[in-house]
Order: sequence, then C-alpha cells, then structure tokens
Amino acid sequence: GEDVEQSLFLSVREGDSSVINCTYTDSSSTYLYWYKQEPGAGLQLLTYIFSNMDMKQDQRLTVLLNKKDKHLSLRIADTQTGDSAIYFCAENTFRGSTLGRLYFGRGTQLTVWP
Amino acid sequence: DADVTQTPRNRITKTGKRIMLECSQTKGHDRMYWYRQDPGLGLRLIYYSFDVKDINKGEISDGYSVSRQAQAKFSLSLESAIPNQTALYFCATSDPGTGTETQYFGPGTRLLVL
Repeated sequence: GEDVEQSLFLSVREGDSSVINCTYTDSSSTYLYWYKQEPGAGLQLLTYIFSNMDMKQDQRLTVLLNKKDKHLSLRIADTQTGDSAIYFCAENTFRGSTLGRLYFGRGTQLTVWP
Repeated sequence: DADVTQTPRNRITKTGKRIMLECSQTKGHDRMYWYRQDPGLGLRLIYYSFDVKDINKGEISDGYSVSRQAQAKFSLSLESAIPNQTALYFCATSDPGTGTETQYFGPGTRLLVL
C-alpha cells in the first residue's frame, strides 16, 4: 500500500504493557521512527531504528522491526498514565522522488486507565 | 521543542482573510516543513524547503503558499482562508547531515476559520 498504517486507538491498564503496531510501505526505508504527541503539544521524537536492526531497546521502550513484512512495533513496558498520548509511526523513504523525507501514519491514540 | 517556535499559537480569522503563520528555528537546520493535523487524519505535508532556494509542494498545497526568508525562517500563508482550513499547523526542521532525517517539531498553531 501507499500509506503508513496504524490502528487508531489502544487502551490499556496502568502497569500493563502496550504494543502499538505499524506497517510501512518501502522495504528500502533507511530509518523508521516513533513520535509521541501529548495533548496540546507538538510531536516529540521518541525513538528511531535503523533498517539493518531487528530490535532496539531504550529503558521501557522496545522497538521491533520485521523488514520482510514491513512491520514496526513499539512496546511500552509498565505503561503509566503519563504515557497517554498519540503515537505516530514514520518512515524515511523516497517514493519516486530524488529526495527522501518522512511519511507519517495517522497516529494511535493510547489511553492508559488507572 | 523550544528550538523551533511558531507564532501565533492560536488564531481565529474569518473566511476570505489572508493570514500568515510564522516559524523560526535556532537549530541551524537547512530543511523545514509545514504540516497540518486534523483529527483521525494524522499529519499531512503542505510544503517543504530543503534549503533557502528550494521550495517544494507537499500533498495538500492548494490554498497555501510559503516563503523561506532565511535559513531560520519559514512562513506559511493562507491566501484566502476557508473554514476547512481550520486545523492544527506544525512547522518542523531536519538536518540531512545526521543521516537520520529526524524531524523536530514546533509547538503548533491552532487555527480557526469562521
């Protein structure tokens, strides 16, 4: 497909793990990203993964990359109410242009219940 | 990110008015972007500029124009505002020298067109 796709909503209980999934379009994308948007704020880079990696871990965050299926996931361990936000997946690709840039998914609204 | 600022933060205008949204950055990045965000639609690219002399249309440039006055400044204009341009507008920057194309976002401008 032509779009970066994510499910729109995810609800979890505080203390559980959250897994946000994304499918992207271009198997030659060099970097894939997760951004976080808190209410009323701009997007903040959460983490990124280089395409030659399968996994990247950063404290409570684990990114898994399956290049064969063009699937990216973000796992948040011990999810807290402060993790409630919109999470955007993005890929760095050319899509026929001579210059690469980022293409974003629609975002997944994560709601964490106490 | 305080390194990317947007003015105004909120704006109410009437149909047919011309308005300008401004973006300034102190990150020293060559690349700058304007996006709009609508609920459920994620981020859509309006225009982008890879350096002061390079301006490119994004997916939804109709009804918008831009000006790259300097490396640090990138302005977005709505020539004749219409209600369906009511949205949250984000400016972003990136530095191709890092190789990652990570984008850094401003806090956003909330625009309401009556």
